[in-house]
Amino acid sequence: NAGVMQNPRHLVRRRGQEARLRCSPMKGHSHVYWYRQLPEEGLKFMVYLQKENIIDESGMPKERFSAEFPKEGPSILRIQQVVRGDSAAYFCASSPGSRRAGANVLTFGAGSRLTVL
Amino acid sequence: GESVGLHLPTLSVQEGDNSIINCAYSNSASDYFIWYKQESGKGPQFIIDIRSNMDKRQGQRVTVLLNKTVKHLSLQIAATQPGDSAVYFCAENISGGGSYIPTFGRGTSLIVHP
Repeated sequence: NAGVMQNPRHLVRRRGQEARLRCSPMKGHSHVYWYRQLPEEGLKFMVYLQKENIIDESGMPKERFSAEFPKEGPSILRIQQVVRGDSAAYFCASSPGSRRAGANVLTFGAGSRLTVL
Repeated sequence: GESVGLHLPTLSVQEGDNSIINCAYSNSASDYFIWYKQESGKGPQFIIDIRSNMDKRQGQRVTVLLNKTVKHLSLQIAATQPGDSAVYFCAENISGGGSYIPTFGRGTSLIVHP
């Protein structure tokens, strides 16, 4: 009965490289959220996805960032041509879905910490 | 002691004392609120929630109070323990139909001294 699984836990990239962060939601959860957290800051919403659909990406930077949640496999947050300002902890959370009990409560993964050199 | 949220202030208490962590939310349409606890190096964990048709809800050692008039939320922790040391976030949400996305405050760091 694993919770939300994120990998890698730590990722180091040089400026200009690509970062791919993966998230497997809790079993039975069909909704995935990505949040970014800077040191001493709160969680900033990035994107909300269901299987094969982006529901809300209002928090995603317009360039270099993309997210997907394919029919099979984990959700992926992709950051192209990383810059130092992308260094942060990226948290994935999942929920059962909007019409089911407990839909509002997010279960978070342990996060992926990206460091850009 | 108590602390006003959204800045990441720090609240220091002695073990055994009661802690009060405050949060001011921004959206008057928000009708569902959750407190999360985040320990160092981990993801946030659900503590307790409250819907806007209530003004108080109690859990084990924790109580959440909601004042919709002034858009204020508080988390009370009774008999605080060293294991309660963490950053506490309130999240506001608008439920019912469509997509709803919890919005988090900056959090309050609680330090419990043995």
